[in-house]
Amino acid sequence: QQQVKQSPQSLIVQKGGISIINCAYENTAFDYFPWYQQFPGKGPALLIAIRPDVSEKKEGRFTISFNKSAKQFSLHIMDSQPGDSATYFCAASGANDYKLSFGAGTTVTVRA
Amino acid sequence: NAGVTQTPKFQVLKTGQSMTLQCAQDMNHEYMSWYRQDPGMGLRLIHYSVGAGITDQGEVPNGYNVSRSTTEDFPLRLLSAAPSQTSVYFCASSSGSGGAFFGQGTRLTVV
Repeated sequence: QQQVKQSPQSLIVQKGGISIINCAYENTAFDYFPWYQQFPGKGPALLIAIRPDVSEKKEGRFTISFNKSAKQFSLHIMDSQPGDSATYFCAASGANDYKLSFGAGTTVTVRA
Repeated sequence: NAGVTQTPKFQVLKTGQSMTLQCAQDMNHEYMSWYRQDPGMGLRLIHYSVGAGITDQGEVPNGYNVSRSTTEDFPLRLLSAAPSQTSVYFCASSSGSGGAFFGQGTRLTVV
């Protein structure tokens, strides 16, 4: 069964709006939580990542919020742009990042 | 700097045929992994390697074989292709702490 549950499956947002994607996990041994962005026909590209010693990490318009007690983390895309239209995957692993467990993915469409 | 290079980009196989998907990285990363991506299931780990000569199974290893004779290369072998192996395959490499870098993928169809 999937170790990381991701929702929603898809979302549509207007240009300038906020996109929010949520993920939940059960394995308390997970220690690294990255988000990947994938465009059609391309491989996933690392967007932003967090470790459980912090509750929030921001890089430009992208923010990860992390709730260790609830075993949940989320990606917020602020001021969404048409170029952000892509599929986003949350993932989790132990301390090292070579054994990633992925969520099912969220397709984000930003309407101009 | 090429990063992670996968070949071929597309492949069609007949059931029962074997083939090797190639993966090479030029970042001197210790760790390499193979994933398959299927609709609605995200990416699932097939096999991984923590260094030359060391490999281990991931979540969905059946029907696949790997070896790691050099740091740079990590080929994935399909022993006897089945329609259930129709998927997009991604190779990734990482230093262990800086994030995993993925190749462009190989789209495989088994008929």
